Amino acid sequence: DTAVSQTPKYLVTQMGNDKSIKCEQNLGHDTMYWYKQDSKKFLKIMFSYNNKELIINETVPNRFSPKSPDKAHLNLHINSLELGDSAVYFCASSHRTGHTEAFFGQGTRLTVV
Amino acid sequence: AQSVSQHNHHVILSEAASLELGCNYSYGGTVNLFWYVQYPGQHLQLLLKYFSGDPLVKGIKGFEAEFIKSKFSFNLRKPSVQWSDTAEYFCAVSFSSGSARQLTFGSGTQLTVLP
Repeated sequence: DTAVSQTPKYLVTQMGNDKSIKCEQNLGHDTMYWYKQDSKKFLKIMFSYNNKELIINETVPNRFSPKSPDKAHLNLHINSLELGDSAVYFCASSHRTGHTEAFFGQGTRLTVV
Repeated sequence: AQSVSQHNHHVILSEAASLELGCNYSYGGTVNLFWYVQYPGQHLQLLLKYFSGDPLVKGIKGFEAEFIKSKFSFNLRKPSVQWSDTAEYFCAVSFSSGSARQLTFGSGTQLTVLP
């Protein structure tokens, strides 16, 4: 009954490959996010998405793209992986309005070799 | 652009010492404020939150925070830290932008508590 779940937990892949990270939430939230946490623990928002609007952090390379098959899922696709993409990626969800906090997944540690 | 600043990058304390971590944000509208904690190798967990009302909010594990609107601050405090409080602490601000909600984090503060 995990609230926000990500798969896989660990992902090791070679440069140039294309990979996806899946995220699902069972909280009934209408907004989902992807964050990248670098080696210095800095949390950078990559995308904020609900069924009306996708907000993209302008610094995110267009090799990264979110895909949402339905309100409970927001997957992250990464094309042509680079060494600098190595990081921990966190998915999160919240309500779009009202007083609510964001709930985070366990994170996916991506290592590009 | 909206931003969140955490003044302390790394804080080292002995057990039983008092803790205060600073957080300031820049946004003129209505915000929701949070402190999250990340224990080593784990995901982010909510410590406490402020939406409205009493500016002094209490969270889990003896933590509290005070919202001072005039200073755009939301500092985290704990009277007496324990070794188990060693973790990364993140201040976050949530606000509405168009039809979407933005949640922005500060750069984090690493707290190390020495036994």
